[in-house]
Formats: sequence, C-alpha cells, structure tokens
Amino acid sequence: DGGITQSPKYLFRKEGQNVTLSCEQNLNHDAMYWYRQDPGQGLRLIYYSQIVNDFQKGDIAEGYSVSREKKESFPLTVTSAQKNPTAFYLCASRRPLRSGANVLTFGAGSRLTVL
Amino acid sequence: GDSVTQMEGPVTLSEEAFLTINCTYTATGYPSLFWYVQYPGEGLQLLLKATKADDKGSNKGFEATYRKETTSFHLEKGSVQVSDSAVYFCALRSTSGTYKYIFGTGTRLKVLA
Repeated sequence: DGGITQSPKYLFRKEGQNVTLSCEQNLNHDAMYWYRQDPGQGLRLIYYSQIVNDFQKGDIAEGYSVSREKKESFPLTVTSAQKNPTAFYLCASRRPLRSGANVLTFGAGSRLTVL
Repeated sequence: GDSVTQMEGPVTLSEEAFLTINCTYTATGYPSLFWYVQYPGEGLQLLLKATKADDKGSNKGFEATYRKETTSFHLEKGSVQVSDSAVYFCALRSTSGTYKYIFGTGTRLKVLA
C-alpha cells in the first residue's frame, strides 16, 4: 500500500546535537511538507518542496534544514541552532495541483525529545 | 494573512449526542477547506473537504458545509461514538499561490460511554 513513512517514531537528543528525521513516500507525489506540532498550537509549517531540488522556508524554518534530492524523500535536520526542538514532527505530501487534488496525506509522525 | 479559528476544547459529550465544532476562516478568494482528525500518537487523516461555496463534505457520519457568506466550515455529527474521541483540525489551502496550508489549533473531543 502507498503511504508516507516517517522514522524514527521516537528520538531523544542531547542538547547541541543535530538530528535528522526521515520522510519517505511511495505515492508518487510531487510536493512534500514538514510541520511541527506543539500542544495547543496546531501545526506550523517548517519547510515545503514543490519539486525535486527545490524547497522553500515556511513560517518557522530557523534552526532547521532540508534537502530534496529524490522525489520520494524529504529529510528534515533539526540543528543545534533550534532553541526548543522538543515537539511532534509531521511530514506530508500532495499530488500536483494540476491533477485537481489538493489533499495533504500525512505520515504517522516523529516525536523528538531533547534531554 | 490567511488564518483559521476553531473553537477551543476539550469538548466532552455523551455517546449518541450531537456534535458541532465551529470553524471560521480568513482568506482571499475561495480557498479549499478541510477537516482532519488525529488519534493519539498518530498523524492527521483527512476526514472531509469542500472546494467551493455551498459544497458539503461528508464522511463517516460527519458533515461540514462551505459557507462563504459567514466564512465558516463547521463540523457536525448527529450521533457521536466513543471511537470518535480524537483531535479535530480545520484547515484551508491558501489561494495566494504559495501552496500553503493553514491549520487551526485543533479541538479535542472526548466521548463518554
């Protein structure tokens, strides 16, 4: 079955360490997104990518970095510059808008805890 | 900028009660509107959507109607079940050309047997 796989599901990090969250999709979707979820704040956009080798900053990109070298993959690196990285991270993807579909499909999420 | 406002929770109901979760939005043009549901420890799942004014989205007994005149997209269900307990998010897709999706803060629903 097609879907989005995020790994790891749980991750613990020491302060000052960079960590990378994986997001892989086999839906043949062009666009991919990373969101951060904190209690009571809904979802906030970190980065998004419409096509391979191109991505744009979202509302809270500081302290994060991404790459989009393959259509299927959109890894997120949480750097030591991110002051409060403890959160639930969600990856999503979407078919091209020209297909008439504008629904986001989400992965199961990765929970990052800084010790 | 575009925004979504939904009622704060938690909303606590008895089984078979009627559910309404209010959602209003601010946006230019005619954004697509969505309701997503999130069960504990999981990602978001699409519940229903509407893409133009007066459209009614429906799924699993849930309904929401796109009201342009009141800029609202309220979620309703006639008879809730314990299994409906989850967090519900209202969202819109911006028409500003940036392909951004704006989410509300979520409303937690608790259904008691």
